[in-house]
Amino acid sequence: GAGVSQTPSNKVTEKGKYVELRCDPISGHTALYWYRQSLGQGPEFLIYFQGTGAADDSGLPNDRFFAVRPEGSVSTLKIQRTERGDSAVYLCASSPQGDYNEQFFGPGTRLTVL
Amino acid sequence: AQSVTQLDSQVPVFEEAPVELRCNYSSSVSVYLFWYVQYPNQGLQLLLKYLSGSTLVKGINGFEAEFNKSQTSFHLRKPSVHISDTAEYFCAGQAAGNKLTFGGGTRVLVKP
Repeated sequence: GAGVSQTPSNKVTEKGKYVELRCDPISGHTALYWYRQSLGQGPEFLIYFQGTGAADDSGLPNDRFFAVRPEGSVSTLKIQRTERGDSAVYLCASSPQGDYNEQFFGPGTRLTVL
Repeated sequence: AQSVTQLDSQVPVFEEAPVELRCNYSSSVSVYLFWYVQYPNQGLQLLLKYLSGSTLVKGINGFEAEFNKSQTSFHLRKPSVHISDTAEYFCAGQAAGNKLTFGGGTRVLVKP
């Protein structure tokens, strides 16, 4: 079946620009997570949605980062005034209701800020 | 706060030799532990997980891990590696709140 998909796979932008990264979770999965993986490091948690609401956004680094999931399915991670330090692979994962111990990851979006 | 430490950043190993990837965690609450594999240009794939019960956990592709509470470790092992096991491996913990805390990763390079 279809897994988690993320678009675009690669995004190159200039410092100061606004970007949106999209995640399509596995159909029916109620939980959705965003992580960021910088070069040579493990993924770091950003935000977690249960349904439409953000249950935990403690990992968002600052107020330039924002994420939404308006209909409880697709999610968009939005980054304003991008900085070179935002360059990373942004990973999305989803979990079915009642089984939050297994997160299914998408292939990621590689963001490069020039 | 929970943290996960992978003690080796790179592990070179010859084909058909055994491999052990070390992982230590710190937590003051009950914890679930995971190992994920990331092949080049692919997403993370779950190898195995420890939630409760038997401390020896078997996963896919011949991998296994042992949960050791007294040593706060969750080392991953495979008795005989293949070229196709070349990848990056991540240990992760999950305490309250569902989010995963990852270690820094161990890059395994299997040599013929």
